[in-house]
Amino acid sequence: EVQLVESGGGLVQPGGSLRLSCAASKFTFSSYEMNWVRQAPGKGLEWVSDISSSGSSIYYADSVKGRFTISRDNAKNSLYLQMNSLRAEDTAVYYCARVVQGNFDYWGQGTLVTVSS
Amino acid sequence: EIVLTQSPGTLSLSPGERATLSCRASQSVSSTYLAWYQQKPGQAPRLLISGASSRATGIPDRFSGGGSGTNFTLAISRLEPEDFAVYYCQHYGSSPLFTFGPGTKVDIK
Repeated sequence: EVQLVESGGGLVQPGGSLRLSCAASKFTFSSYEMNWVRQAPGKGLEWVSDISSSGSSIYYADSVKGRFTISRDNAKNSLYLQMNSLRAEDTAVYYCARVVQGNFDYWGQGTLVTVSS
Repeated sequence: EIVLTQSPGTLSLSPGERATLSCRASQSVSSTYLAWYQQKPGQAPRLLISGASSRATGIPDRFSGGGSGTNFTLAISRLEPEDFAVYYCQHYGSSPLFTFGPGTKVDIK
Protein backbone atom coordinates (compact mmCIF):
# COMPACT_ATOMS: atom_id res chain seq x y z
CA GLU A 1 0.00 0.00 0.00
CA VAL A 2 1.01 3.62 -0.55
CA GLN A 3 3.38 4.90 2.11
CA LEU A 4 4.23 8.49 3.02
CA VAL A 5 6.68 9.09 5.85
CA GLU A 6 7.41 12.61 7.07
CA SER A 7 10.52 13.64 8.96
CA GLY A 8 12.38 16.76 9.99
CA GLY A 9 10.05 18.21 12.59
CA GLY A 10 11.23 19.49 15.94
CA LEU A 11 11.58 22.50 18.20
CA VAL A 12 12.78 25.73 16.60
CA GLN A 13 12.99 29.29 17.83
CA PRO A 14 10.85 32.06 16.32
CA GLY A 15 12.53 33.37 13.19
CA GLY A 16 14.31 30.09 12.63
CA SER A 17 14.19 27.60 9.78
CA LEU A 18 13.34 23.95 9.35
CA ARG A 19 13.18 21.57 6.38
CA LEU A 20 10.57 18.84 6.31
CA SER A 21 10.87 15.76 4.13
CA CYS A 22 8.32 13.21 3.00
CA ALA A 23 9.53 9.87 1.66
CA ALA A 24 7.07 8.22 -0.69
CA SER A 25 6.93 4.56 -1.64
CA LYS A 26 4.76 1.90 -3.26
CA PHE A 27 3.40 4.17 -5.95
CA THR A 28 4.75 6.07 -8.94
CA PHE A 29 5.61 9.28 -7.11
CA SER A 30 6.47 11.23 -10.26
CA SER A 31 2.89 10.86 -11.53
CA TYR A 32 1.15 12.54 -8.60
CA GLU A 33 0.44 16.02 -7.34
CA MET A 34 1.57 16.34 -3.71
CA ASN A 35 0.69 18.67 -0.86
CA TRP A 36 1.48 19.71 2.67
CA VAL A 37 -1.40 20.13 5.13
CA ARG A 38 -0.97 21.19 8.76
CA GLN A 39 -2.95 20.97 11.96
CA ALA A 40 -2.27 23.19 14.96
CA PRO A 41 -2.72 21.49 18.35
CA GLY A 42 -6.42 20.94 19.01
CA LYS A 43 -7.41 22.73 15.80
CA GLY A 44 -8.65 21.85 12.33
CA LEU A 45 -6.87 21.11 9.08
CA GLU A 46 -5.16 23.89 7.12
CA TRP A 47 -3.85 23.49 3.59
CA VAL A 48 -0.27 24.76 3.22
CA SER A 49 1.15 24.11 -0.24
CA ASP A 50 0.67 22.19 -3.47
CA ILE A 51 3.14 21.02 -6.13
CA SER A 52 2.33 19.41 -9.44
CA SER A 53 3.75 16.05 -10.48
CA SER A 54 6.58 17.63 -12.46
CA GLY A 55 7.16 20.46 -10.00
CA SER A 56 6.31 23.08 -12.58
CA SER A 57 3.21 24.40 -10.79
CA ILE A 58 3.32 25.47 -7.15
CA TYR A 59 0.76 27.10 -4.88
CA TYR A 60 0.84 28.37 -1.32
CA ALA A 61 -1.64 29.43 1.34
CA ASP A 62 -1.45 33.15 2.02
CA SER A 63 -0.35 32.40 5.59
CA VAL A 64 2.96 30.89 4.41
CA LYS A 65 3.59 32.62 1.09
CA GLY A 66 7.07 34.14 0.95
CA ARG A 67 8.28 32.11 3.93
CA PHE A 68 7.78 28.46 2.89
CA THR A 69 9.06 26.71 -0.23
CA ILE A 70 7.74 23.38 -1.48
CA SER A 71 9.86 21.20 -3.74
CA ARG A 72 10.21 17.61 -4.86
CA ASP A 73 12.83 15.22 -6.15
CA ASN A 74 11.14 12.62 -8.30
CA ALA A 75 14.36 10.62 -8.64
CA LYS A 76 14.42 10.23 -4.85
CA ASN A 77 10.63 9.86 -4.43
CA SER A 78 10.71 12.72 -1.97
CA LEU A 79 8.71 15.84 -1.16
CA TYR A 80 10.12 18.74 0.83
CA LEU A 81 8.98 21.86 2.68
CA GLN A 82 11.56 24.50 3.50
CA MET A 83 10.18 26.69 6.27
CA ASN A 84 11.86 30.02 7.02
CA SER A 85 11.00 32.92 9.33
CA LEU A 86 8.98 30.57 11.50
CA ARG A 87 6.36 32.00 13.85
CA ALA A 88 4.58 30.64 16.90
CA GLU A 89 1.44 30.24 14.79
CA ASP A 90 3.29 27.79 12.51
CA THR A 91 3.32 25.27 15.36
CA ALA A 92 1.46 22.25 14.05
CA VAL A 93 1.61 18.69 12.88
CA TYR A 94 2.59 18.79 9.21
CA TYR A 95 1.22 16.08 6.95
CA CYS A 96 2.25 15.29 3.42
CA ALA A 97 -0.61 14.04 1.30
CA ARG A 98 -1.11 12.68 -2.19
CA VAL A 99 -3.72 14.37 -4.37
CA VAL A 100 -6.01 12.69 -6.86
CA GLN A 101 -8.72 14.75 -8.57
CA GLY A 102 -8.65 17.36 -5.85
CA ASN A 103 -8.85 14.87 -2.99
CA PHE A 104 -6.17 13.91 -0.47
CA ASP A 105 -6.32 10.14 -0.89
CA TYR A 106 -3.26 9.15 1.16
CA TRP A 107 -1.67 10.92 4.12
CA GLY A 108 1.52 10.43 6.07
CA GLN A 109 1.51 10.08 9.85
CA GLY A 110 2.66 13.68 10.30
CA THR A 111 5.64 15.41 11.88
CA LEU A 112 5.34 17.93 14.71
CA VAL A 113 6.86 21.38 14.35
CA THR A 114 7.02 23.49 17.51
CA VAL A 115 8.05 27.13 17.25
CA SER A 116 8.93 28.46 20.67
CA SER A 117 11.70 30.25 22.51
CA GLU B 1 -12.66 33.03 -1.50
CA ILE B 2 -14.83 30.02 -0.70
CA VAL B 3 -15.53 29.41 2.98
CA LEU B 4 -16.87 26.07 4.21
CA THR B 5 -19.07 26.00 7.31
CA GLN B 6 -19.88 22.74 9.09
CA SER B 7 -22.72 22.08 11.48
CA PRO B 8 -23.24 21.11 14.14
CA GLY B 9 -19.91 21.66 15.82
CA THR B 10 -20.49 18.61 17.99
CA LEU B 11 -23.00 15.81 17.54
CA SER B 12 -23.66 13.59 20.55
CA LEU B 13 -25.23 10.28 19.58
CA SER B 14 -25.40 6.66 20.69
CA PRO B 15 -24.08 3.66 18.78
CA GLY B 16 -26.68 2.45 16.30
CA GLU B 17 -28.14 5.90 15.74
CA ARG B 18 -28.03 7.83 12.46
CA ALA B 19 -25.71 10.83 12.10
CA THR B 20 -26.27 13.64 9.62
CA LEU B 21 -23.50 16.20 9.17
CA SER B 22 -23.80 19.39 7.14
CA CYS B 23 -21.23 21.31 5.07
CA ARG B 24 -22.21 24.63 3.55
CA ALA B 25 -20.16 26.61 1.05
CA SER B 26 -20.19 30.40 0.90
CA GLN B 27 -20.86 30.16 -2.83
CA SER B 28 -21.85 27.41 -5.21
CA VAL B 29 -19.12 24.81 -5.74
CA SER B 30 -18.67 21.86 -8.05
CA SER B 31 -19.75 18.58 -6.47
CA THR B 32 -16.83 16.95 -8.29
CA TYR B 33 -14.43 18.60 -5.88
CA LEU B 34 -16.20 18.20 -2.56
CA ALA B 35 -14.77 15.58 -0.22
CA TRP B 36 -15.22 14.31 3.33
CA TYR B 37 -12.56 13.02 5.74
CA GLN B 38 -12.61 11.24 9.08
CA GLN B 39 -9.95 11.88 11.71
CA LYS B 40 -9.47 9.98 14.95
CA PRO B 41 -7.29 11.26 17.80
CA GLY B 42 -3.59 10.92 17.07
CA GLN B 43 -4.20 9.75 13.51
CA ALA B 44 -3.98 11.32 10.07
CA PRO B 45 -7.24 12.10 8.31
CA ARG B 46 -8.75 9.42 6.08
CA LEU B 47 -10.62 10.08 2.86
CA LEU B 48 -14.24 8.88 3.13
CA ILE B 49 -16.12 10.49 0.26
CA SER B 50 -14.99 12.14 -2.97
CA GLY B 51 -17.05 13.86 -5.63
CA ALA B 52 -19.63 14.61 -2.92
CA SER B 53 -21.10 11.09 -3.01
CA SER B 54 -18.53 8.45 -4.00
CA ARG B 55 -17.16 6.31 -1.22
CA ALA B 56 -13.39 5.89 -1.18
CA THR B 57 -11.85 2.45 -1.36
CA GLY B 58 -12.66 0.34 1.68
CA ILE B 59 -15.21 2.72 3.19
CA PRO B 60 -18.29 0.90 4.55
CA ASP B 61 -21.63 1.55 2.90
CA ARG B 62 -23.09 2.99 6.08
CA PHE B 63 -21.29 6.19 5.03
CA SER B 64 -23.03 8.20 2.33
CA GLY B 65 -22.59 11.67 0.91
CA GLY B 66 -24.90 13.94 -1.01
CA GLY B 67 -25.79 17.46 -1.94
CA SER B 68 -24.98 20.05 -4.53
CA GLY B 69 -24.41 23.76 -4.98
CA THR B 70 -23.81 25.15 -1.51
CA ASN B 71 -25.28 22.39 0.68
CA PHE B 72 -23.67 19.01 1.23
CA THR B 73 -24.27 16.26 3.75
CA LEU B 74 -22.47 13.26 5.15
CA ALA B 75 -24.68 10.59 6.67
CA ILE B 76 -23.70 7.63 8.79
CA SER B 77 -26.66 5.26 8.81
CA ARG B 78 -25.88 3.34 12.01
CA LEU B 79 -23.03 4.53 14.15
CA GLU B 80 -20.42 1.94 15.04
CA PRO B 81 -18.05 2.51 17.98
CA GLU B 82 -15.19 3.22 15.55
CA ASP B 83 -17.16 6.03 13.85
CA PHE B 84 -16.84 8.43 16.79
CA ALA B 85 -14.36 10.93 15.38
CA VAL B 86 -14.04 14.36 13.79
CA TYR B 87 -15.28 14.81 10.23
CA TYR B 88 -14.08 17.48 7.80
CA CYS B 89 -15.41 18.58 4.46
CA GLN B 90 -12.97 19.92 1.85
CA HIS B 91 -13.19 21.71 -1.46
CA TYR B 92 -10.67 22.00 -4.27
CA GLY B 93 -10.46 24.56 -6.99
CA SER B 94 -10.45 28.15 -5.84
CA SER B 95 -8.32 30.59 -3.93
CA PRO B 96 -7.10 29.15 -1.68
CA LEU B 97 -6.56 26.05 -3.81
CA PHE B 98 -7.85 23.75 -1.06
CA THR B 99 -10.29 24.69 1.70
CA PHE B 100 -11.31 22.68 4.74
CA GLY B 101 -14.35 23.15 6.91
CA PRO B 102 -13.83 23.55 10.67
CA GLY B 103 -14.99 20.01 11.41
CA THR B 104 -17.83 18.26 13.20
CA LYS B 105 -17.04 16.10 16.21
CA VAL B 106 -19.24 13.05 16.60
CA ASP B 107 -19.01 11.87 20.17
CA ILE B 108 -20.70 9.24 22.30
CA LYS B 109 -23.82 10.35 24.13
